[in-house]
Amino acid sequence: QVQLVESGGGVVQPGRSLRLSCAASGFTFSSYAMHWVRQAPGKGLEWVAFTSYDGSFQYYADSVKGRFTISRDNSKNTLYLQMNSLRVEDTAVYYCARDGLRFGVHWYFDLWGRDTLVTVSS
Amino acid sequence: QSALTQPPSASGSPGQSVTISCAGTSSDVGGYNYVAWYQQHPGIAPKLMIYEVSKRPSGVPDRFSGSKSGNTASLTVSGLQAEDEADYYCSSYAGSNIFVFGGGTKLTVL
Repeated sequence: QVQLVESGGGVVQPGRSLRLSCAASGFTFSSYAMHWVRQAPGKGLEWVAFTSYDGSFQYYADSVKGRFTISRDNSKNTLYLQMNSLRVEDTAVYYCARDGLRFGVHWYFDLWGRDTLVTVSS
Repeated sequence: QSALTQPPSASGSPGQSVTISCAGTSSDVGGYNYVAWYQQHPGIAPKLMIYEVSKRPSGVPDRFSGSKSGNTASLTVSGLQAEDEADYYCSSYAGSNIFVFGGGTKLTVL
């Protein structure tokens, strides 16, 4: 079954860190670029970060640059998002998403995970 | 990284057609054919409906179509059905390895 399953969300105090994971199955994970997208409660979608299929390139939204790090372990079919210096405004549901193009990037997401909720609150 | 501009709401009766606009600039929508549309029902992950301006993934009904003119992209839903009621988001590559979504449009089937 082709799917992405996120984990690692929870409640954390401002300034602390959290690491999200996204386990892929049912497809050749190492062939696809991956993204993280988030959605604050009652708000729209916000792109967060990108990693190339081989992990050699990473791009970030300005809102998280310098605080978040996207990475992947193709041997474990897993995508990560290390979130440091968390802020209240980082509170959101976080989705991992697969780019639609193998061995490249076409900036559309054809497979989404089920989401994991991150709440930043004192 | 300004979000693309979508109307907050749209509506139509069953069987009718409705078009949702997505206004950007020459740096995003107008500059690339990397426009996509997503449907999101409450509490569920978004679903890809249109990619590369007008292409439909397999399994998406041909009632859904996409187009672009200048800096504005559009999603048209023909033959509205009750299950089309959802939030719709456009997205576009914005150059310099940046990506943006629209603010979302809530589609109501009357």
